[in-house]
Amino acid sequence: EDQVTQSPEALRLQEGESSSLNCSYTVSGLRGLFWYRQDPGKGPEFLFTLYSAGEEKEKERLKATLTKKESFLHITAPKPEDSATYLCAVISGGSNYKLTFGKGTLLTVNP
Amino acid sequence: NAGVTQTPKFRVLKTGQSMTLLCAQDMNHEYMYWYRQDPGMGLRLIHYSVGEGTTAKGEVPDGYNVSRLKKQNFLLGLESAAPSQTSVYFCASSFGQGLNTEAFFGQGTRLTVV
Repeated sequence: EDQVTQSPEALRLQEGESSSLNCSYTVSGLRGLFWYRQDPGKGPEFLFTLYSAGEEKEKERLKATLTKKESFLHITAPKPEDSATYLCAVISGGSNYKLTFGKGTLLTVNP
Repeated sequence: NAGVTQTPKFRVLKTGQSMTLLCAQDMNHEYMYWYRQDPGMGLRLIHYSVGEGTTAKGEVPDGYNVSRLKKQNFLLGLESAAPSQTSVYFCASSFGQGLNTEAFFGQGTRLTVV
């Protein structure tokens, strides 16, 4: 069964203080790893898809990387508006393309 | 372009009542999913569909039924609501396979069972 574990559960940063969120996964035949952002009271918003080890994607202050066992979401010089819950999810061919999520990391960026 | 639309947005049910949540997508996606989100539990998959006329069980299917009679719609039914089904429900859709596998979510339905 596919498993996704995110760490830390919560992270508090000062504005401008860079850091990384971790997503480790165990799947049978990874078809894609996804990062989402979720604001309170809203649905998850898609950020990135990564398909193979070594792949990297960037968007503004966010950069996602992928290895064979884990993915990192690097946040460079964060701003208060980056505060949200960040979710990691995987699709594996072994699970009939079922989308499995981790529990998320709650990021708070203080001004 | 509406994306994924869920109705209703809020609902309060009494224990034992039934209801149907509707999810509609206008992106011609093959795959559709229903999740529930509870504090500390993350997003848990209830049921999903890999195409019109097909459904499959997810992680927490008990007490729920689904139907995918049309490609654009995915219905989630609660036959006899229980307080344990109080949650926020999210629908999502995706192309499922190939290079564009990312899922897009609706805004959620907040359900309270009293």
